Amino acid sequence: NAGVTQTPKFQVLKTGQSMTLQCAQDMNHEYMSWYRQDPGMGLRLIHYSVGAGITDQGEVPNGYNVSRSTTEDFPLRLLSAAPSQTSVYFCASSWGRGGTEAFFGQGTRLTVV
Amino acid sequence: AQRVTQPEKLLSVFKGAPVELKCNYSYSGSPELFWYVQYSRQRLQLLLRHISRESIKGFTADLNKGETSFHLKKPFAQEEDSAMYYCALSGQGGSEKLVFGKGTKLTVNP
Repeated sequence: NAGVTQTPKFQVLKTGQSMTLQCAQDMNHEYMSWYRQDPGMGLRLIHYSVGAGITDQGEVPNGYNVSRSTTEDFPLRLLSAAPSQTSVYFCASSWGRGGTEAFFGQGTRLTVV
Repeated sequence: AQRVTQPEKLLSVFKGAPVELKCNYSYSGSPELFWYVQYSRQRLQLLLRHISRESIKGFTADLNKGETSFHLKKPFAQEEDSAMYYCALSGQGGSEKLVFGKGTKLTVNP
């Protein structure tokens, strides 16, 4: 059982480039989300989805797009990378109901130069 | 709006000493509170949740609705407890968002 899998683990982008961070889960979870982790800022919610075809914005959505065409996958797209998007990105999934455990991927360390 | 506040960025204690990591929250409805932990080079994982009222690795946390707090406590800290700890909140029913505090880095010295 793989759980939540993120690819790639590391990435370096040039300013203005676009890319997609992949996230897949095999637990049939309804709820998936993306966070960024920055020193002193904790985990901030970027976007989340409560099921296939349904997405919503979190605290820091600007510069990122998401879609949820299947239950398993929740990719995060950076449209035009900026140095401010240098961060560690975590994908998480859960059953989505209150009190349920969120399972996290191992993270993607992104550097924008 | 959901908000979680962890007032201490860093907390350092000696092995065997009691430890308390503070968490306060703001939420208009009925909250679900969690503590997540991130050990060095490991992924974030659930430590405990208030609805289960359990003790994990010697840690406990009690939800105090009057003080809107969910502090994490352990009577005798161990070196292996050194990690980053995050308090998190989600809402029952309406809001499915899981919102985190900024985290507290706990260091347990020998």
